[in-house]
Amino acid sequence: DAGVTQSPTHLIKTRGQQVTLRCSPKSGHDTVSWYQQALGQGPQFIFQYYEEEERQRGNFPDRFSGHQFPNYSSELNVNALLLGDSALYLCASSPSGRGYEQYFGPGTRLTVT
Amino acid sequence: AQRVTQPEKLLSVFKGAPVELKCNYSYSGSPELFWYVQYSRQRLQLLLRHISRESIKGFTADLNKGETSFHLKKPFAQEEDSAMYYCALSASSGGYQKVTFGTGTKLQVIP
Repeated sequence: DAGVTQSPTHLIKTRGQQVTLRCSPKSGHDTVSWYQQALGQGPQFIFQYYEEEERQRGNFPDRFSGHQFPNYSSELNVNALLLGDSALYLCASSPSGRGYEQYFGPGTRLTVT
Repeated sequence: AQRVTQPEKLLSVFKGAPVELKCNYSYSGSPELFWYVQYSRQRLQLLLRHISRESIKGFTADLNKGETSFHLKKPFAQEEDSAMYYCALSASSGGYQKVTFGTGTKLQVIP
């Protein structure tokens, strides 16, 4: 089991563009959470997906949206990118009923210019 | 609202010295507290959770509800303990858990 995988590793976008980040959870995990980690900060919760639905959401605007597929993999979409969206985006998966037991991916480094 | 505060950005200690990484939280309900660690060039990983009351790699943490603290301690620091440490709080809402992280403390163990 490769654990949680994320793609791409890093990417550069221009203000106003849209981006899609992808995450495959650890085998046996059905819950996926997304976090934004700005430089020097702790991870900030964006949202959580379970059974293909958004179950929890942090204080992020509607420009941030997501999706979970039947195989539990997930996407994070960010529209109308701002310079302040530059950060490391982390995906974490957890088994059903044990949301605290989060396994993190390596992250996607997004740079908005 | 839930909040986690880690007052120290950097903590430097000598090898063999005791370590205490501070964490304070605010939450109106009954929280679950955790410590996550990120070693250089590795992923963020769960170190320990207060409910299990176990010692991992010599680290322990006691939940003090009166002081709303969950400090991480180790009696004798090792060089391999150098890493970023994040305190986190998990709160249940509608049957689902949302995890809030602190800003992290970088532990530097000096040989």
